[in-house]
Amino acid sequence: NAGVTQTPKFQVLKTGQSMTLQCAQDMNHNSMYWYRQDPGMGLRLIYYSASEGTTDKGEVPNGYNVSRLNKREFSLRLESAAPSQTSVYFCAVQEGVTEAFFGQGTRLTVV
Amino acid sequence: AQKITQTQPGMFVQEKEAVTLDCTYDTSDQSYGLFWYKQPSSGEMIFLIYQGSYDEQNATEGRYSLNFQKARKSANLVISASQLGDSAMYFCAMREYYKLSFGAGTTVTVRA
Repeated sequence: NAGVTQTPKFQVLKTGQSMTLQCAQDMNHNSMYWYRQDPGMGLRLIYYSASEGTTDKGEVPNGYNVSRLNKREFSLRLESAAPSQTSVYFCAVQEGVTEAFFGQGTRLTVV
Repeated sequence: AQKITQTQPGMFVQEKEAVTLDCTYDTSDQSYGLFWYKQPSSGEMIFLIYQGSYDEQNATEGRYSLNFQKARKSANLVISASQLGDSAMYFCAMREYYKLSFGAGTTVTVRA
């Protein structure tokens, strides 16, 4: 039972390159989230998906796109990476008002 | 506008003492949920405690209790009998409808 799986765990990109961060869950939860964590800033919500087929912007959506491919998978895409997108990215899933479960994080560096 | 405010960037507490972490929130919804998470230096997010907006009693989970003051929009976390293993970053979070937002966090350092 893997819970929430993020891939990759680490990534180094050059400015202008694109990449997709993958998140998959086996918990059958409807809501999925993407956050970025920077020192002193806490977790900032990038995008979220209340259920399959819906996505909504969070606090810091600029420079990102998302796809809720199905109930299990929610991907985050950086079309043209910038150094300001260097961060640790977390995917989370939640059902109703139960606790949210997090992936192990992706450490992304853009040089 | 910031939905979740944690005003204490860092705190020191003596082992075996209690510590209170402040959290205020902003919402116009009547139905919402409040959460506290712990993030040790290893980076994983650990769920601690949950309080629903309609819950009349303060939530408790072992050494953790949530001091919920609805009118003041406050959801402070109290950790009793601090242990060295409690040293970590602590985040307050709120779920409104389907949106789950976090505060900036408070770093707690427990001294022996």
